[in-house]
Amino acid sequence: DIVVTQSPDSLAVSLGERATINCKSSHSVSYSNKDYLAWYQQKPGQPPKLLIKWASTRASGVPDRFSGSGSGTDFTLTISGLQAEDVAVYYCQRYNGTPYNFGQGTRLEIK
Amino acid sequence: QVHLVESGGGVVQPGTSLKLSCETSGFIFSNYAMHWVRQAPGKGLEWVAIIWYDGTSKFHADSLKGRFTISRDISKSTIYLQMNSLRVEDTGVYYCARGLGGDGYTSFDDWGQGTLVTVSS
Repeated sequence: DIVVTQSPDSLAVSLGERATINCKSSHSVSYSNKDYLAWYQQKPGQPPKLLIKWASTRASGVPDRFSGSGSGTDFTLTISGLQAEDVAVYYCQRYNGTPYNFGQGTRLEIK
Repeated sequence: QVHLVESGGGVVQPGTSLKLSCETSGFIFSNYAMHWVRQAPGKGLEWVAIIWYDGTSKFHADSLKGRFTISRDISKSTIYLQMNSLRVEDTGVYYCARGLGGDGYTSFDDWGQGTLVTVSS
């Protein structure tokens, strides 16, 4: 089975500081110079929202304080200059075929 | 503007069936893959099923053990999820999501608001 694991499970960061969330896939999600890895943000009572696709491409309208990096099996979501509205649960997801596994989620709070 | 509106959720007893709908607008329905994703109360996201742009390729999560079936009606720009032999653990919010492209190798770019399914005796 393909497993996607995030770390940490929860994170508290001060306003204006940097938040870093890691994502590891048990199998490579990279193929033909593409990384099939996305990041989503979910706020309470709302559906998920796509933040990052292809591991490092911001979705339309996403602020540039959100950035993604990594390749192969290890990826990182970085939020630079944390703002109050960034409080949410963040999920990574592989999409290089079924099953489209999500990580377990990382809850981000303000310290 | 892309709109995805789920419906059909409700409270049902274990062992019964339910059919969810996701009505779409704002894009060319036949050009995109569509997904169902669910979320149990207080839990994470679980992918359920995909139907490719051409409707010929459909895949479901192995964990469902053949109980759920995804389908679509191009004339209504709508996808469906037929859920049979429902279990308590199927309780949750069911979202439909649109893929970035037509096949199964793209991120989930747009999401509906979800419909709540509660399976309880």
